[in-house]
Formats: sequence, structure tokens, C-alpha cells
Amino acid sequence: DAGVIQSPRHEVTEMGQEVTLRCKPISGHDYLFWYRQTMMRGLELLIYFNNNVPIDDSGMPEDRFSAKMPNASFSTLKIQPSEPRDSAVYFCASSSSRTSGGGTDTQYFGPGTRLTVL
Amino acid sequence: GNSVTQMEGPVTLSEEAFLTINCTYTATGYPSLFWYVQYPGEGLQLLLKATKADDKGSNKGFEATYRKETTSFHLEKGSVQVSDSAVYFCALRGGSNYKLTFGKGTLLTVNP
Repeated sequence: DAGVIQSPRHEVTEMGQEVTLRCKPISGHDYLFWYRQTMMRGLELLIYFNNNVPIDDSGMPEDRFSAKMPNASFSTLKIQPSEPRDSAVYFCASSSSRTSGGGTDTQYFGPGTRLTVL
Repeated sequence: GNSVTQMEGPVTLSEEAFLTINCTYTATGYPSLFWYVQYPGEGLQLLLKATKADDKGSNKGFEATYRKETTSFHLEKGSVQVSDSAVYFCALRGGSNYKLTFGKGTLLTVNP
């Protein structure tokens, strides 16, 4: 089975440019999570979806960040305009409510997108 | 709110040494507790979990026991290998909240 797929794996852009990160969750999973990882702040949850609907976006740092999930097999995280402080590794994870504990106990992570904003 | 505190690294051990990585938590109710591992250049993988007090999670020789009285979930392994070198994250999920709250991670390096 394919795991969570993220693209691109690496992105280098200049300040002010728009950046779009993409994620394909594991087929059949109904929860999708976006995280950001930095040395200073560790792993932060940005937003999560259930059945394509955003449930909690309280971790989204600013209006420059937006996330969508148009269907069960695709999600995007967009930063517009990007700033150097957005440089981080962005992870997408998915899980299924059909697992034990009512869901989200086991989150499957993608390999991440390393974003560098110059 | 929920929080997780784990020992700061880095931790450097020789092969076959005993490993302990401390983790304590703050949460209301009865959270589920997890250890995730991140190998270089990869995403996080679930290592083990425990969902109620006194449960012991185990996998790949690693163990952790859910101690409600001390609000702890320390990770242990009796004999580490070079291949265990990674970053280890303690995490919790509290009640009906579907969020996972992660600790800051502990870098483990095992030397031959």
C-alpha cells in the first residue's frame, strides 16, 4: 500500500512568492492533518480535516496560510506571500476513524516537504 | 490545556546500552499516550501506544508504561542498536479532542 504522499519534497523560493504544498492521504482515511516542524518550535499542528471538512484551524499562524481539501484524496497547504520565517519542514498525516480509539490514534505521516524561503 | 514534556537531548549511547527517555504530561481526563520515532529524512512513525492507566505499550524491544499517578510515559529499551538512532517524540491525545500534542523530541545517537 502507498503511504501518505507529499510533493514537492523540497521547495526553495523567494520571499513574497506563493508556495503550494500537496498531500495525498492513504486511501480510505477520513482524517488529514498538516503539521509544521522547526528546530525552535518543534512539531506544530496547523489544521486538520475530517471527511474533507476543516475541523480545527487554530494552529494556522496567519492569514497568509490557507488549506483546502477538495476531495478525499487530495489536500493543499498554500502560503501567500511566503516569508523567510516560514522555512520549515511541513508534514501531512492521515488516519482512519475505523481504527481503535475512535480514530486518529495512529497517524501516518508523509515524508515531508522541506521549504526554504530566501 | 494539554502539554507534553520530554527530556532534552541529545542522548548518545554505545550499542547494547540501556535507554530511558523520560516523558511527562499534563492533560484533563484520561488521555491516550504515544511514542513516535522519526528516522533521518523521514516522517514520523508510530512506535507504541497505551490508552489507559497501567497499560504497557511495546514494539521492536521498546516499552513504555502509562503511569497515571506520576503522569508519565517513559520510553525504555534494554539494549539499543545503531539502527535505533533517531528522534523520539512523546505525544498525547486527550478525550474527545482529536489533536495529538507532541513533545519537542529527543535525538538519540547510538555509536557502534
